[in-house]
Amino acid sequence: EVQLAESGGGLVRPGGSLRLSCAASGFAVSNNYMSWVRQAPGKGLEWVSVIYSDGSTYYADSVKGRFTISRDNSKNTLYLQMTSLRAGDTAVYHCARDGFDSSGHDAFDIWGQGTMVTVSS
Amino acid sequence: DIQMTQSPSSLSASVGDRVTITCRASQSISSYLNWYQQKPGKAPKLLIYAASSLQSGVPSRFSGSGSGTDFTLTISSLQPEDFATYYCQKSSSTPPWTFGQGTKVEIK
Repeated sequence: EVQLAESGGGLVRPGGSLRLSCAASGFAVSNNYMSWVRQAPGKGLEWVSVIYSDGSTYYADSVKGRFTISRDNSKNTLYLQMTSLRAGDTAVYHCARDGFDSSGHDAFDIWGQGTMVTVSS
Repeated sequence: DIQMTQSPSSLSASVGDRVTITCRASQSISSYLNWYQQKPGKAPKLLIYAASSLQSGVPSRFSGSGSGTDFTLTISSLQPEDFATYYCQKSSSTPPWTFGQGTKVEIK
């Protein structure tokens, strides 16, 4: 079965760090574009970061310089290292696969259930 | 960056109603537009990709249309399980993947 499962969320103080993991099954993380998307309590969806199959990485302006996306192909796992955390980073963090159809259109077709990150003193 | 604006932000409807949600891009995105459904406490679910293609397993009462800057998600006959929040998303495989602010569909 194709699925994603996040872990690593929790309560962290402002300025602290946290690493999220996203374990994939049924497909290879290395062969796909993989993103992190977050949702603050009661708010909408915000794209955070992507890692392409070639290893290129991109970030939303709101997290650039503080968050790092990576993957471990041997573990088929995606990561998000978060540093200098702020109250505004409080959210449920989902990982998602960006799948492509034959005409080149992409969409986030597989999502994890999410892991909650709370930044508070 | 391209901005995505949905309307309305919320709506009330009855079972069996036809429901239409619109999404407008700040500049042309051709047909690079996706629609997702999200229920409370759950992950988003892909409904429509490439503006009008139905994702496998999604009921045919859901349909999408539009191109350029103006897009529509239609539910032809609202079912009890369709009460949720719907998001449009600019795709195109280049960042950022911008989402609309969401439309909450509630029971009248």
